[in-house]
Amino acid sequence: DTEVTQTPKHLVMGMTNKKSLKCEQHMGHRAMYWYKQKAKKPPELMFVYSYEKLSINESVPSRFSPECPNSSLLNLHLHALQPEDSALYLCASSQGAGGRSQETQYFGPGTRLLVL
Amino acid sequence: AQKITQTQPGMFVQEKEAVTLDCTYDTSDPSYGLFWYKQPSSGEMIFLIYQGSYDQQNATEGRYSLNFQKARKSANLVISASQLGDSAMYFCAMRVLGDMRFGAGTRLTVKP
Repeated sequence: DTEVTQTPKHLVMGMTNKKSLKCEQHMGHRAMYWYKQKAKKPPELMFVYSYEKLSINESVPSRFSPECPNSSLLNLHLHALQPEDSALYLCASSQGAGGRSQETQYFGPGTRLLVL
Repeated sequence: AQKITQTQPGMFVQEKEAVTLDCTYDTSDPSYGLFWYKQPSSGEMIFLIYQGSYDQQNATEGRYSLNFQKARKSANLVISASQLGDSAMYFCAMRVLGDMRFGAGTRLTVKP
């Protein structure tokens, strides 16, 4: 079973709202990732969690705040977003600690975010 | 720094025929992983196939095979017997340690 789930599937929010994206995997994977994908572009890495600790932050603005409450869950808290933050947000997980070239990342279905 | 390139923005193929999607890469690290993902319009990135830099044989997974030419730094995806459901965006990706980078993608359209 290589399932990663994400909720909600769609989210519309105003620039003053606070919302959260959720990601869950029950494959025992030790690394989890957040990606942002703009239309007609490849995914861009935002954050990597390894063993529930933040290991990579790709210079993401502080209005995006990740959280890893346990090894199965990954949240992305959103606050004071801008319209240009509208995108597909993808969560992924991999079996190891996230540091090996051979690790396959398995993705969730994504959350389509629209910021008005 | 690593770089991954897909030069075909769009490709068309007739149903039941084979198609090759091109991918070239550049890295100075001898250990890397190469991946292909399929992204339908629904948005989910579906893992298709993996090739390690030290693998001697080309990877195959059902109708998918990866034509790995290390000296040319290419990792082309071959889809045999195309189906209408293969219409999607296809991304090539390279991973060096914890750093995964995606190519720009190729949109494949299968014609009936």
